Amino acid sequence: KAGVTQTPRYLIKTRGQQVTLSCSPISGHRSVSWYQQTPGQGLQFLFEYFSETQRNKGNFPGRFSGRQFSNSRSEMNVSTLELGDSALYLCASSSKRPPRDEQFFGPGTRLTVL
Amino acid sequence: QQPVQSPQAVILREGEDAVINCSSSKALYSVHWYRQKHGEAPVFLMILLKGGEQKGHEKISASFNEKKQQSSLYLTASQLSYSGTYFCGTEMTTDSWGKLQFGAGTQVVVTP
Repeated sequence: KAGVTQTPRYLIKTRGQQVTLSCSPISGHRSVSWYQQTPGQGLQFLFEYFSETQRNKGNFPGRFSGRQFSNSRSEMNVSTLELGDSALYLCASSSKRPPRDEQFFGPGTRLTVL
Repeated sequence: QQPVQSPQAVILREGEDAVINCSSSKALYSVHWYRQKHGEAPVFLMILLKGGEQKGHEKISASFNEKKQQSSLYLTASQLSYSGTYFCGTEMTTDSWGKLQFGAGTQVVVTP
């Protein structure tokens, strides 16, 4: 069974640009969560999608948005990039609705904002 | 609401034991443990639910004290493969929809 895949793996952007990251969950998984990981703030929850609907959102500005498609693939978008958005963006998929079962993380997209 | 992990780091020799703690100031529904090796994605280790249910993959044990809102992960007879950063993630309710609040992590180094 293929794992969670994320594209691209690495991305370099400049301030003010926007970026779209993609996540393909494990086949059959309908839940996709996104996390931002930085050395200073650690792992922070961005949002979760289940059956194409955003079910929960973390404490991030509106510049961070996402969506989920009917095949459960998910994208997240960051507009008007800031230097502080440089981070590893991880997505995780799960087969169940909460109560939470284990989540399977993808390898992440390393975003660098110059 | 971020859980507090302790210690921040621990160095072990192969075969030694260690305990990693995760504490919350809020009532918890579940505690999740993940391990992340450098440059890799976090990998699920165990989930502990209020009421005593547990689910895990590896030979690593953990406990969940519901009264104290604290969980402990026990690394017993550590192996080199146990090296990595351990994160606990907590859920407050049954419908938190994946909103895991992760601790800052505990870096574990196991030496030969």
